[in-house]
Amino acid sequence: QVQLVESGGGVDQPGGSLRLSCVGSGFTFSNFAMHWVRQAPGKGLEWMAAISFDGVTKKYAISVRGRFTVSRDNSRNTVYLQMNSLRIEDTAVYFCARDGGRGSGWPIDYWGQGSLVSVSS
Amino acid sequence: DIQMTQSPPTLSASVGDRVTITCRASQSITFYLAWYQQRPGKAPKLLIQKGSILESGVPSRFSGSGFGTEFTLTISSLQPDDFATYYCQHYYDYPYTFGQGTKLEIK
Repeated sequence: QVQLVESGGGVDQPGGSLRLSCVGSGFTFSNFAMHWVRQAPGKGLEWMAAISFDGVTKKYAISVRGRFTVSRDNSRNTVYLQMNSLRIEDTAVYFCARDGGRGSGWPIDYWGQGSLVSVSS
Repeated sequence: DIQMTQSPPTLSASVGDRVTITCRASQSITFYLAWYQQRPGKAPKLLIQKGSILESGVPSRFSGSGFGTEFTLTISSLQPDDFATYYCQHYYDYPYTFGQGTKLEIK
């Protein structure tokens, strides 16, 4: 069965950096685009970033463009989210999620359990 | 960017009721619309894709309809398991955006 397991969350100060990792299993990782979606405490879902199956195409929400970078290592079945210049409003649970296809035109079909990032001074 | 407007924000209903949630896109997204269910403390679960295609294993009391800018999610007869928050999301182009969510509460 498809599994996505995030790690790397934690507490950091404004201006700091964190890197989230997400390992996929139960499917051919290199065939699927991947996404990051976040949810602030008590709030709705916010799409953050996506990376194509081959890592060539990357897309970002305007709220994180220039601060966050998505990457992947298909040899390790892992997708990453490097978060720099963290702001208090970046505090959220970050979900790693699988795209239904290689890059576009497919919904997000599987989600990880989420990793909490807390930004506080 | 395409904006998704979901209504109502909160819906109170009883077991056995039929309920409908609406999602409007700020421009046409053809059929590139998904519905998700999220229970407290859990990851979202894909219910419907392409506006009306039910995912495998999702009960048939759930249905979706719509095309272009107007979409609906209907639950024909609410079960206790269905009380959760529901989100629509377009995947027409990037950035993908979600509706604000509809919290379905027990009356």
